[in-house]
Amino acid sequence: RKEVEQDPGPFNVPEGATVAFNCTYSNSASQSFFWYRQDCRKEPKLLMSVYSSGNEDGRFTAQLNRASQYISLLIRDSKLSDSATYLCVVERGHSSASKIIFGSGTRLSIRP
Amino acid sequence: EPEVTQTPSHQVTQMGQEVILRCVPISNHLYFYWYRQILGQKVEFLVSFYNNEISEKSEIFDDQFSVERPDGSNFTLKIRSTKLEDSAMYFCASTLRDVGAYEQYFGPGTRLTVT
Repeated sequence: RKEVEQDPGPFNVPEGATVAFNCTYSNSASQSFFWYRQDCRKEPKLLMSVYSSGNEDGRFTAQLNRASQYISLLIRDSKLSDSATYLCVVERGHSSASKIIFGSGTRLSIRP
Repeated sequence: EPEVTQTPSHQVTQMGQEVILRCVPISNHLYFYWYRQILGQKVEFLVSFYNNEISEKSEIFDDQFSVERPDGSNFTLKIRSTKLEDSAMYFCASTLRDVGAYEQYFGPGTRLTVT
């Protein structure tokens, strides 16, 4: 079983739609959680960190459920510029001895 | 806004040759990382580096790989004898790892092509 699993998509939705991505992780020792986005042939860029209490940044909302080892990302009122691959990232361990695990990513395509 | 830089943007090398990929992390960051991404596949962790030593490495990071921080600004990844399967995008990242600042910032990557 992969340590971080995501639905690969692609998700193809109209502009203005709400879209949700899910991610599960297998290692209960995981400490920190992030969503990154990656445009084609570019570097990953941090979208948001994910906290246990859930957090929101404009149109983006992230949730973490430690008991179910599940992370979600919700995008409201999607824009054409949201088209990208969304990467679920999990960090386990502490400080200098941590290891970062990337999910395979979920591709999102927003159509006009 | 400070950013991570990487050189070269594209490196072509022949199998068996040594390559050195260079990175300049964000200046006040303390933790440094290398990742690779084979075309069409996921980003894979290679190694983390802190306080002038490797703190964690993956099974990919075998004896053919080494990292160095030769001065106060550069962070390098060396592949001693490249193989065809080393062809990938290599990303450097850095982070401060302070309260509220755990996120990693990635450089634009070096595309390595081994022929």
